[in-house]
Parts: sequence; structure tokens; C-alpha cells
Amino acid sequence: GENVEQHPSTLSVQEGDSAVIKCTYSDSASNYFPWYKQELGKRPQLIIDIRSNVGEKKDQRIAVTLNKTAKHFSLHITETQPEDSAVYFCAAITGFQKLVFGTGTRLLVSP
Amino acid sequence: KAGVTQTPRYLIKTRGQQVTLSCSPISGHRSVSWYQQTPGQGLQFLFEYFSETQRNKGNFPGRFSGRQFSNSRSEMNVSTLELGDSALYLCASSLDQTGRTEAFFGQGTRLTVV
Repeated sequence: GENVEQHPSTLSVQEGDSAVIKCTYSDSASNYFPWYKQELGKRPQLIIDIRSNVGEKKDQRIAVTLNKTAKHFSLHITETQPEDSAVYFCAAITGFQKLVFGTGTRLLVSP
Repeated sequence: KAGVTQTPRYLIKTRGQQVTLSCSPISGHRSVSWYQQTPGQGLQFLFEYFSETQRNKGNFPGRFSGRQFSNSRSEMNVSTLELGDSALYLCASSLDQTGRTEAFFGQGTRLTVV
């Protein structure tokens, strides 16, 4: 079945640094890759997504890149701020239209 | 517009009991998916319903079941509860098929099995 691997499981950065989270997927039919942010005690919320017909998408300080050949995609956060601290989940839609999530990355941004 | 509503927010049950969780999607959304969230395991897909039909199912035992009503509200049932079923159960709704439209999550129901 579809598998999504996510690394690292935890990431600590200083405020102002960049953070990169990487994911790989196994189903070559996957065509939609969303990223969710979950703050402590809150619901996951979509922060950015990318479809397989583009290689990169940016929204202010966050960007996502997709390499379909290698079957991996990454989240990039620049100029990190303490409020970026949260758990981030990548996900991929399988060929059977199931949204499969990675195991999450806990990002800690220190002032 | 009201968001995705899950009830109850918290539940404590004993082993062997059964439980029913409810999810009301955003008005107009027809797809409802359910996920189990445990520390270290991320979000595990349970099943997805669209127009009262189960479209997809994850790798969970038959003790986990669900249904969707004509108003798109969905329920999830877990029978013969085990300690390992303790988790946060999240539902997500989307206008159409997840992947074609954004999925919005509810606050979740935290189930504790003792």
C-alpha cells in the first residue's frame, strides 16, 4: 500500500533560521501533496499544497518543492518565528484517492 | 460558515465497551474521512465516506466501522474496545473528493480506554 515517510521527526532551529522537512512517497500515481500544521491541542490545518503538474509553490515564508522522479517533496520555512513551532505533517493522495500522512515533524523555534 | 464539528470532545470507556463518535462536516461538504492519531504514529487513515457510501478503507480491524447519513453527517463506531484504541480521532470534510478539494479537520474526539 501507499507509504509516506517523513524526516526528521524533530527539528530545532533558532528564530530567523530556515527549516526543511522532507517526505518520500511510494505510489507513483500520487498527484496531490498537502502539508498540515498542528499546534498543541488544536486541529491540523492546511498550510500549503502542491499538485503533480508543478515543481514548486511558494506562499510568503513557506514553500513546497516536488520531485516526481525521485518521489519526494519538501517543505521549506524561511525566517522562522516562535509561532511556527508546531507539528507538521506531509501527506499524499494515493491512486485510490486515500490521503495518507507522514508521521509528523515536531518543529521547535527558539527565540 | 461553521467548521467541522466533532462530538463528544472527550470520552472515557472501559475495555470491552463500544463507542460511537459523531462528525458534522462543513455545510455543503459531501466527503468525510476519519483518522486515528496516536503519538509517534501520526494520522492513520480509517475510512472515507461520500454520499453515504464508503469509498475507501484503511487497515484497521472490523471492530472499526462507520456510516454516513443523507445530510453528510458521519458516525464512527468502535466495538469491543481495547486499551490500544486510546487515541485522538479526527474527522475531515471536503467539498468533493479529497485531493480535488481541501480537507478541513474537526477538533477531534479524545478517547481513553481504561
